[in-house]
Amino acid sequence: NAGVTQTPKFQVLKTGQSMTLQCAQDMNHEYMSWYRQDPGMGLRLIHYSVGAGITDQGEVPNGYNVSRSTTEDFPLRLLSAAPSQTSVYFCASSYSSTGQTQYFGPGTRLLVL
Amino acid sequence: RKEVEQDPGPFNVPEGATVAFNCTYSNSASQSFFWYRQDCRKEPKLLMSVYSSGNEDGRFTAQLNRASQYISLLIRDSKLSDSATYLCVVNMADSNYQLIWGAGTKLIIKP
Repeated sequence: NAGVTQTPKFQVLKTGQSMTLQCAQDMNHEYMSWYRQDPGMGLRLIHYSVGAGITDQGEVPNGYNVSRSTTEDFPLRLLSAAPSQTSVYFCASSYSSTGQTQYFGPGTRLLVL
Repeated sequence: RKEVEQDPGPFNVPEGATVAFNCTYSNSASQSFFWYRQDCRKEPKLLMSVYSSGNEDGRFTAQLNRASQYISLLIRDSKLSDSATYLCVVNMADSNYQLIWGAGTKLIIKP
């Protein structure tokens, strides 16, 4: 099993550009989520999904969109990048509820100029 | 006040020593508690869940104090490989069971 994979590992964007961060898992997990991690702060939930076709907003959803067309994939789209979106982004998955072990991808480091 | 608070450290500890750090949470409705470990520039990985009666996994002991709303992590006989950031995570029942993450405590084990 590859676990949770994320691409790209690094990305530099200019303000206003859009891009999609890819996330995939091969563990047949129903629950998937996207977090951002900023210095001095805990992981903050952006969006999450409890199954294919179902998504919901987390704590900091503005400026991001998600979709969940399959169990395996959960892409995160930045609509119009802003410097405030410079961060490390982690995708995570778990069997069901958020109370269970979260398995994380290796992260995407994003710099918005 | 942050919902989950941790001392950011760093805690500089000699190899072989015992080190402990706490994490406080603000919401008494919290139901599940975890410690994750994060190595530099890597993803978080589950270290251990924290049970009401306290639990131990090798050199690591986790405790929960519901009355004072904190959890603790004790590491005995610390190894160089224990150097990492330790993240406290709390599951809030009244926030749709979303996980709330502390900012982490950095631990540096020195030879």
